Amino acid sequence: GAVVSQHPSRVICKSGTSVKIECRSLDFQATTMFWYRQFPKQSLMLMATSNEGSKATYEQGVEKDKFLINHASLTLSTLTVTSAHPEDSSFYICSVTGGSYEQYFGPGTRLTVT
Amino acid sequence: AQSVTQLDSQVPVFEEAPVELRCNYSSSVSVYLFWYVQYPNQGLQLLLKYLSGSTLVKSINGFEAEFNKSQTSFHLRKPSVHISDTAEYFCAVSKNSGNTPLVFGKGTRLSVIA
Repeated sequence: GAVVSQHPSRVICKSGTSVKIECRSLDFQATTMFWYRQFPKQSLMLMATSNEGSKATYEQGVEKDKFLINHASLTLSTLTVTSAHPEDSSFYICSVTGGSYEQYFGPGTRLTVT
Repeated sequence: AQSVTQLDSQVPVFEEAPVELRCNYSSSVSVYLFWYVQYPNQGLQLLLKYLSGSTLVKSINGFEAEFNKSQTSFHLRKPSVHISDTAEYFCAVSKNSGNTPLVFGKGTRLSVIA
């Protein structure tokens, strides 16, 4: 399967600052990337679907101006949490797919906003 | 829309005992079904999947799941668990087409006791 990396793995930032999370598909042409969010001891919730070269599609209730997603190439997507607040603290996970059912997940990024 | 119900949030079981983690889903369209495993502070790993064909699917580490269309279930079983099986297990569904996101259940925490 595809190897997917995320950077950073952990980040602590102050309230009001912005944080960028990278999702890289190391050996796979990812036409579509998904961003999920996981609260402690809860399931993954889809935030947005990102197709290479086009604007991301956000799920209901997810603020597109707060969670900026860029999918500029077939191997890289970024999620920027703007003006982060403590309630944005969560585990953010990306997955990639090349058009089939198979999704490959990154290891996740733990964001803590103080 | 699809939804997934995992009735048990936590399942403690003694080592070498059998275990069943329950998963029920609802969908108005045909779906693919998945089980993922998540170890602490890590991303998700695909355990097994049902796409079509034989309703009983097996993983390389002894887990198996059976798709039951009439009961809309996809329960996960293992006849004899090991300490290393301690993890969070997520059942997920997607529409049976490519590039579609996964809908996850809330997860079941399997704790294997020595």
